[in-house]
Amino acid sequence: EVQLVESGGGLVQPGGSLRLSCAASGFTFSSYSMNWVRQAPGKGLEWISYISASSSTMYYADSVKGRFTISRENAKNSLYLQMNSLRDEDTAVYYCARDLLQYSGSYYRSNAFHIWGQGTMVTVSS
Amino acid sequence: EIVLTQSPGTLSLSPGERATLSCRASQSVSSSYLAWYQQKPGQAPRLLIYGASSRATGIPDRFSGSGSGTEFTLTISRLEPEDFAVYYCQQFSGYTFGQGTKLEIK
Repeated sequence: EVQLVESGGGLVQPGGSLRLSCAASGFTFSSYSMNWVRQAPGKGLEWISYISASSSTMYYADSVKGRFTISRENAKNSLYLQMNSLRDEDTAVYYCARDLLQYSGSYYRSNAFHIWGQGTMVTVSS
Repeated sequence: EIVLTQSPGTLSLSPGERATLSCRASQSVSSSYLAWYQQKPGQAPRLLIYGASSRATGIPDRFSGSGSGTEFTLTISRLEPEDFAVYYCQQFSGYTFGQGTKLEIK
């Protein structure tokens, strides 16, 4: 079964740090680009970061640029999100999501998020 | 940054009726890079449509997508009870999502 399972969420104080993990199974993890998407309580979806299959390319939303770092370990079928300098407005459910298509090189472009994890809650509060 | 505006914000319909959801982009979006998702309370989003009109694996054929340029539409031909949810569009020149349309039972 194709599956993504996030972990690492929890309660953290403003200014603190947290590292989220996403464990992949049931597919060739190293062949797909991955993403993090978050959803604040009662709000819509916000894409926050992308990493290519080989880790050669990363993108970030302006709201997290300079504070969050996406990474992956293909040998461990794992995706990570290091979150620093956390703010109240970072409170959200964080989802990892797999691209629909397999990565095909430097001209590859995402066109949909096909597989999603169940999400992990991050609460930033004093 | 391309902004996606979905309308209406809330759509109230009955099972068996036809639903038409709109997604308008602030700039032209290639049809290849427009997707639709369904999200039910407490669940992760589910991919419905990619490339503006291609149904994802396992999606019933009552769901269809259309449009080009700045105007895209998700149509549900005959609503089933399980279709009442929130729907999001997404474009891939910046990965932004629309704000969502809540489809509720009338």
